[in-house]
Amino acid sequence: EDQVTQSPEALRLQEGESSSLNCSYTVSGLRGLFWYRQDPGKGPEFLFTLYSAGEEKEKERLKATLTKKESFLHITAPKPEDSATYLCAVQDLAGNNRKLIWGLGTSLGVNP
Amino acid sequence: DAGVIQSPRHEVTEMGQEVTLRCKPISGHDYLFWYRQTMMRGLELLIYFNNNVPIDDSGMPEDRFSAKMPNASFSTLKIQPSEPRDSAVYFCASSATGTGLNSPLHFGNGTRLTVT
Repeated sequence: EDQVTQSPEALRLQEGESSSLNCSYTVSGLRGLFWYRQDPGKGPEFLFTLYSAGEEKEKERLKATLTKKESFLHITAPKPEDSATYLCAVQDLAGNNRKLIWGLGTSLGVNP
Repeated sequence: DAGVIQSPRHEVTEMGQEVTLRCKPISGHDYLFWYRQTMMRGLELLIYFNNNVPIDDSGMPEDRFSAKMPNASFSTLKIQPSEPRDSAVYFCASSATGTGLNSPLHFGNGTRLTVT
């Protein structure tokens, strides 16, 4: 059964203190792994899609990497505005469907 | 573009009442998704449509839930009768086929449903 586990559940950093969030996944075949950001009271907002092991994508202070079993979201020198919940989701290669399996997220707080 | 628009933002109702949630997807998007989010279970896909046709409704909890998409710019999710365990945030999302089966989802800001 497809499964996504994110860790830690919550993380608090000081401004400028770099860290990484983890997304471990189990899927028969990976069509894509997605990172989204969710602010309180809002819907998730798309950040990245990764397709194959070894792939990396960057956007401002965020960099996402992918291996065959997990993905990391690296946050370099975070700012208070990076505070949000970060969600990871995977899409199975099997079938012609658009179903995503989601993790529960990591709640990130960045202190000024 | 205004993005995905959901209404109402908040809904408080009593057990047994009918609840209707509404969604307007982004113009030109041909996929529409209904999700439910809770602290314990995270985001769960309820149903999704392609070109207004329901494709996968295996996530709909039970017969009390129904969804329709009468045209490309409007969808509803109905719960009848509602129960306290239906309390959650319900999200609508849309996406375009253009980049393939894994094109990103664009979410609305959700409807927070409380059933007392």
